[in-house]
Amino acid sequence: AQSVSQHNHHVILSEAASLELGCNYSYGGTVNLFWYVQYPGQHLQLLLKYFSGDPLVKGIKGFEAEFIKSKFSFNLRKPSVQWSDTAEYFCAVRDYGQNFVFGPGTRLSVLP
Amino acid sequence: NAGVTQTPKFQVLKTGQSMTLQCAQDMNHNSMYWYRQDPGMGLRLIYYSASEGTTDKGEVPNGYNVSRLNKREFSLRLESAAPSQTSVYFCASRVTGNTGELFFGEGSRLTVL
Repeated sequence: AQSVSQHNHHVILSEAASLELGCNYSYGGTVNLFWYVQYPGQHLQLLLKYFSGDPLVKGIKGFEAEFIKSKFSFNLRKPSVQWSDTAEYFCAVRDYGQNFVFGPGTRLSVLP
Repeated sequence: NAGVTQTPKFQVLKTGQSMTLQCAQDMNHNSMYWYRQDPGMGLRLIYYSASEGTTDKGEVPNGYNVSRLNKREFSLRLESAAPSQTSVYFCASRVTGNTGELFFGEGSRLTVL
């Protein structure tokens, strides 16, 4: 079965620092890839998604992600984080059928 | 536009009690899902329903039952709650097909004593 790993459990950054969160999935083929964000006490919201085409995907709030098929990776990036980006970030993969498999999440704390 | 609505938002149960979590979506989505979220484990799929009248087990179905009442509603039932079912439960829905993402409800926090 598909599995998703996220490299960091907890990342602490200062405002204006650059962010990269790692995500790897376990096997290839045709996959759909997603990054979701969960602000404290809230539900998951979609940041961005990849289905096909340009492997560099731009999402909301200045986030982007790059799909590297050969590395089974879909890393999330943001050039300059803000305090309001403090949240938990989840990578997810859908390969076939209806199931979405989520990673364990990375908690991001941005210090003002 | 309500999106995905879950009730109740909070519930405390005693071991052995039963309860049903309700979920409704107003986006005309075919597929609906129930996930549980536990610290350090991400979201794990309990059950999903690809369309009205069908349900399938996910990764962690034991101890749960579901009902796809109609296209809008998908309920999750705990027949005999156990402390291991203490969790936050999320309902989600999506358009069936290759490009639909999940839309989530606000979650239901369940504590089983």
